[in-house]
Amino acid sequence: AAGVIQSPRHLIKEKRETATLKCYPIPRHDTVYWYQQGPGQDPQFLISFYEKMQSDKGSIPDRFSAQQFSDYHSELNMSSLELGDSALYFCASSLGLMSNQPQHFGDGTRLSIL
Amino acid sequence: AQKVTQAQTEISVVEKEDVTLDCVYETRDTTYYLFWYKQPPSGELVFLIRRNSFDEQNEISGRYSWNFQKSTSSFNFTITASQVVDSAVYFCALSEASQGAQKLVFGQGTRLTINP
Repeated sequence: AAGVIQSPRHLIKEKRETATLKCYPIPRHDTVYWYQQGPGQDPQFLISFYEKMQSDKGSIPDRFSAQQFSDYHSELNMSSLELGDSALYFCASSLGLMSNQPQHFGDGTRLSIL
Repeated sequence: AQKVTQAQTEISVVEKEDVTLDCVYETRDTTYYLFWYKQPPSGELVFLIRRNSFDEQNEISGRYSWNFQKSTSSFNFTITASQVVDSAVYFCALSEASQGAQKLVFGQGTRLTINP
């Protein structure tokens, strides 16, 4: 079965650079979530979208922005990168906005800031 | 505010032993959902189970079983006859129905090591 696709899998950037992470949800899933997992930490919710509209916002820095496009894929744009942004970034998708729907996660993008 | 606590940071057992991972949650909602995810060394997050707050029936799936007790706000996970492939970090997570969007709040995770 098709899963959530994230690209790139690995990304190395330097401080103050920008990065764009992409997420392609499971077909027919209309809800996308972004999470950030620092080393040895649990995933922290950043932001979510439902039907191309932002549905919730968590601890996402102002330097980050995201959107969901007409084909339901999503992009997380990160600017003025800092060392502390080094983390594993997960995208998850679900069908609909109901809390009981399990979120299926992609394999993550590992971002390293030098 | 919602909170999930996994008090066991690391557990190490020998293969074929049974092991239970504890999860305690806090929420003010009467309707909420509990999840377990597995994160193997390769890093991906694998969905294991979802439970809603109205269904306290325990569930068994092969060697995995889950014990949900509202009275103690716990949702524990037991692996029977553990195998080396079970080695991973396991996360318990909570989602509240009143929050509109369904962000997951994760516990700190339990690193489970199964030794041959």
